[in-house]
Amino acid sequence: NAGVTQTPKFQVLKTGQSMTLQCAQDMNHEYMSWYRQDPGMGLRLIHYSVGAGITDQGEVPNGYNVSRSTTEDFPLRLLSAAPSQTSVYFCASSRRGTRGSEKLFFGSGTQLSVL
Amino acid sequence: AQTVTQSQPEMSVQEAETVTLSCTYDTSENNYYLFWYKQPPSRQMILVIRQEAYKQQNATENRFSVNFQKAAKSFSLKISDSQLGDTAMYFCAFMKATGANSKLTFGKGITLSVRP
Repeated sequence: NAGVTQTPKFQVLKTGQSMTLQCAQDMNHEYMSWYRQDPGMGLRLIHYSVGAGITDQGEVPNGYNVSRSTTEDFPLRLLSAAPSQTSVYFCASSRRGTRGSEKLFFGSGTQLSVL
Repeated sequence: AQTVTQSQPEMSVQEAETVTLSCTYDTSENNYYLFWYKQPPSRQMILVIRQEAYKQQNATENRFSVNFQKAAKSFSLKISDSQLGDTAMYFCAFMKATGANSKLTFGKGITLSVRP
C-alpha cells in the first residue's frame, strides 16, 4: 500500500503565484487533514474533511482553500502565495469510528518556500 | 479549545541512558487521546505511543513509556536505553475522543539529541 502520498516534495514559489499541493490516500479513509509545520510552532491544523464533499476550517485556514470531491484526494490550494506561507505541509488521513479514527497516517510532507 | 505545552526546546542524553520528555495540556474534555510523535531528520511523522484518557494504566511500547497524570494534565515520555536512532524532534499531541474527526493539537516540540 502506498498510504498517504503527497506531491510535490519540494516547491519554490514567487509571491503572488498560485499552486496546489496534492494529497492522495489509498486506504479508503473518511478523514483527511492538512497541517503546516513552522519552527518553534509545532504542527497546526489548516483544514480538514470528514468525508467527500465536506470540509471545515482548522486553526490557521487563511490563505488556503480545500475541496474533497473524492474519498481519495484532498488537495490544498494556495491562491496567492505569501512569504508567510513558507512552511512544511503535511497531509494526514484516518478512518471513521470511535476506534481507529485516532490513528493518523501522515504523508512525507511538502517543503514550500515563497520568495 | 485545547492547548499542549512542551516547555523544553532541547534535551541531550548519553547513549544507553534514560531521558524523560515533559508535556502538559489543558482541556475541559473528559475523553481524549494523547500521543507522542517522533520526527527524525527524514521529516516523517512516526507515532511513538498513544494513551487513552479513560485508561489509568500507563502505555508502554518497548523502550518507550509514559507517565500519564490525568488530574495534573501531565503526559511525559520516558525513553529507556537511549539509542542514536532516537535523535529526533518529539511532539506531544492531543485529540478529543468525542465527535471523532481526527483533529490533533500539537505542542511545539522538543529536539532530542543522543550522544555516542
